[in-house]
Amino acid sequence: DVKVTQSSRYLVKRTGEKVFLECVQDMDHENMFWYRQDPGLGLRLIYFSYDVKMKEKGDIPEGYSVSREKKERFSLILESASTNQTSMYLCASSLGNLVTGPQHFGDGTRLSIL
Amino acid sequence: GDSVTQMEGPVTLSEEACLTINCTYTATGYPSLFWYVQYPGEGLQLLLKATKADDKGSNKGFEATYRKETTSFHLEKGSVQVSDSAVYFCALIPPSGNQFYFGTGTSLTVIP
Repeated sequence: DVKVTQSSRYLVKRTGEKVFLECVQDMDHENMFWYRQDPGLGLRLIYFSYDVKMKEKGDIPEGYSVSREKKERFSLILESASTNQTSMYLCASSLGNLVTGPQHFGDGTRLSIL
Repeated sequence: GDSVTQMEGPVTLSEEACLTINCTYTATGYPSLFWYVQYPGEGLQLLLKATKADDKGSNKGFEATYRKETTSFHLEKGSVQVSDSAVYFCALIPPSGNQFYFGTGTSLTVIP
């Protein structure tokens, strides 16, 4: 079974802090994704990566950056956290062809910025 | 641009009732269509998918048919169970296949 592990289920940080959310997958997937999930807005794509050291902006990249130094790990970075970044963050991974391979999701990190 | 619209929730049903969650899409060409389910406290799981017109995806008693003429992919189940209580997301990948587009989610609660 594919496993996508997010390092924290719950996280509380302060405004202005630099925040790291970590995601690791164990199935050698090429693609990895970061979404945020907010009530009434569904899932919105922040960043994704097709390969090591490669990254692409999604629909809402402002205020975020990512790092993919190893194939199995994809980190989301909030450079200077703000209260409007309080949300549920979901990481996902998939094989090269998005159509044939489903996205596998982690359980999410609920981040609160005070 | 590409997008998915699904019915507003929340939806509350009694056990063994019939379920329909509407999903319509906007896309150029023939996208692939998906339903994902999110159980409380968990991430999303793929429920079913259809990759071409008139395909029917099915899993765990749920079905959805890819209707090109109405640009729809409605989720149906004939008899829901309490364990089906979850949030359901409709999604698509455009023919370019570069990213998923998710609907806003529909919360379903099934009461005994």
